[in-house]
Amino acid sequence: NAGVTQTPKFQVLKTGQSMTLQCAQDMNHNSMYWYRQDPGMGLRLIYYSASEGTTDKGEVPNGYNVSRLNKREFSLRLESAAPSQTSVYFCASSPQGWDEQYFGPGTRLTVT
Amino acid sequence: SQQGEEDPQALSIQEGENATMNCSYKTSINNLQWYRQNSGRGLVHLILIRSNEREKHSGRLRVTLDTSKKSSSLLITASRAADTASYFCATDALYSGAGSYQLTFGKGTKLSVIP
Repeated sequence: NAGVTQTPKFQVLKTGQSMTLQCAQDMNHNSMYWYRQDPGMGLRLIYYSASEGTTDKGEVPNGYNVSRLNKREFSLRLESAAPSQTSVYFCASSPQGWDEQYFGPGTRLTVT
Repeated sequence: SQQGEEDPQALSIQEGENATMNCSYKTSINNLQWYRQNSGRGLVHLILIRSNEREKHSGRLRVTLDTSKKSSSLLITASRAADTASYFCATDALYSGAGSYQLTFGKGTKLSVIP
């Protein structure tokens, strides 16, 4: 039982490049989430998926897109990376709603 | 927008002492959660307290919730060096920007337990 896994662990992009962050959970959870964590800012919600087939914007969705590929997988795409997107990205899942969330280990992204 | 705010921002104590962290929030909530984050790692859920509960215990953790004051506290008793981490409160509240409930996190309290 791996919980929530994220790939890659580290990534460096140049401004304008695109990439997709992958997230998968093996706990049969309905809801999945993408957060970013910046120094001194806490975690901020980018997008979430309450159930398979649905996605909704969070607090900071601009510059990102998401895909809930199936119940297990939820990917985050940066179409044209900007230095302001330098951050640590966390994926999380929960059985449903806004109860206890289980977090992945994070992806550290640097955009130069 | 930051719904929850932890206080203090940083706390340094000796091993064996108790550590108390506080969280204040702005709007009505259904539940309040506490998470721990070790340096460079993902967050780990510690405890959830619902709006109709006043106190909850889990091992060495004690959480209180005062909805009239919109505040919560996390007490870690008999602290250990392994408790060194950042602690975050999170509340589910209506986020006006999206018109839906979301879980919003505070900026965290950085706890250092000195052996």
